[in-house]
Amino acid sequence: KAGVTQTPRYLIKTRGQQVTLSCSPISGHRSVSWYQQTPGQGLQFLFEYFSETQRNKGNFPGRFSGRQFSNSRSEMNVSTLELGDSALYLCASSLAGPETQYFGPGTRLLVL
Amino acid sequence: AQTVTQSQPEMSVQEAETVTLSCTYDTSESDYYLFWYKQPPSRQMILVIRQEAYKQQNATENRFSVNFQKAAKSFSLKISDSQLGDAAMYFCAYSWPFQGAQKLVFGQGTRLTINP
Repeated sequence: KAGVTQTPRYLIKTRGQQVTLSCSPISGHRSVSWYQQTPGQGLQFLFEYFSETQRNKGNFPGRFSGRQFSNSRSEMNVSTLELGDSALYLCASSLAGPETQYFGPGTRLLVL
Repeated sequence: AQTVTQSQPEMSVQEAETVTLSCTYDTSESDYYLFWYKQPPSRQMILVIRQEAYKQQNATENRFSVNFQKAAKSFSLKISDSQLGDAAMYFCAYSWPFQGAQKLVFGQGTRLTINP
């Protein structure tokens, strides 16, 4: 089975712009979660989607949003980018509930 | 609130020796999962081992084993016969079923160096 894929792998944006990141889960996995990783804050949970519904959300401002499509692929969007949004964004998928999450390679976002 | 603490920011071990990474967590839940993930320089997060809280037997995966002490809320990872490829950041993580949803809470990580 193919693993979790994320596109793009690298992205450079300027402050004020918006960005959309994409994640394709492992085939058959219906839960997709997003995490932000920074040197200062470590790994932080953004949100989780299951069957096109957001089931869980972390403590991030409304500029961070996501969605999931009927094929379980997910996108996350960050609007009005700030310098502090520079991070590695990791996507993870699992079958349905709180079982093992499998991670993608991440998207490295740099905001200038 | 659920928290995960890794008290060792860095560890080093000689190749072929054994090393133990520590992790403690705080929770009021009785049903939960614990994980160790490895993140090499490529930044790909790789699952090392998983433990269900209801299982008393410690999980083992080849050279990797855990010491799960539920009452003490401790979950340490032992790596036997360390290899150069084991060098990475290791993250302890906790997950619990909340209305079917899930999220992982991570510790701050331990950077493991393998000395040849």
